[in-house]
Amino acid sequence: EAGVVQSPRYKIIEKKQPVAFWCNPISGHNTLYWYLQNLGQGPELLIRYENEEAVDDSQLPKDRFSAERLKGVDSTLKIQPAELGDSAVYLCASSLTGGALNEQFFGPGTRLTVL
Amino acid sequence: QKEVEQDPGPLSVPEGAIVSLNCTYSNSAFQYFMWYRQYSRKGPELLMYTYSSGNKEDGRFTAQVDKSSKYISLFIRDSQPSDSATYLCACRGASGGYNKLIFGAGTRLAVHP
Repeated sequence: EAGVVQSPRYKIIEKKQPVAFWCNPISGHNTLYWYLQNLGQGPELLIRYENEEAVDDSQLPKDRFSAERLKGVDSTLKIQPAELGDSAVYLCASSLTGGALNEQFFGPGTRLTVL
Repeated sequence: QKEVEQDPGPLSVPEGAIVSLNCTYSNSAFQYFMWYRQYSRKGPELLMYTYSSGNKEDGRFTAQVDKSSKYISLFIRDSQPSDSATYLCACRGASGGYNKLIFGAGTRLAVHP
């Protein structure tokens, strides 16, 4: 069974440029998560989707970050414009449902460098 | 102060050693406690999962939770070079604003032959 797929794996952009990350969750998983992982830190939740609905986006900086999961399957996370401090790894994860007993499976992440 | 505190290490041990990794947390609402392993350039993968206080064993790995002291531990017996990775503890509540994973910073472990 394929795991969580993310692309691109690496992205280098200049500050003020836009950037987008794509995630395809494990088939049949209704819940999708985007996390931010800074160097030397644990992942921090940015947004959680239950199917198409964003049920927790309290940590998403909405002035520059946006996300969508239009058909309840794959998802895109966008930053516009990017800032130097956005350099980090962006992880996508999925689980069958959002309940605490459901294991979250993580993708390999997209490593963003903003110059 | 972070809700989940974890010593970042690095921790270097010889092959065969017993490794002890620890975290403390501050929020009594946490009921689920997890340990994830993250290899370099990979996403975290779930190692152990414990609900409330107690011990759980899986092969060479043992997870302990002491809710009275808000302390969680992971023990690795007979450590192997393949165990070299970053180990992340995570806590989660059952509902409301705590129904999400709160991670520690991770401890880097190196097991040398």
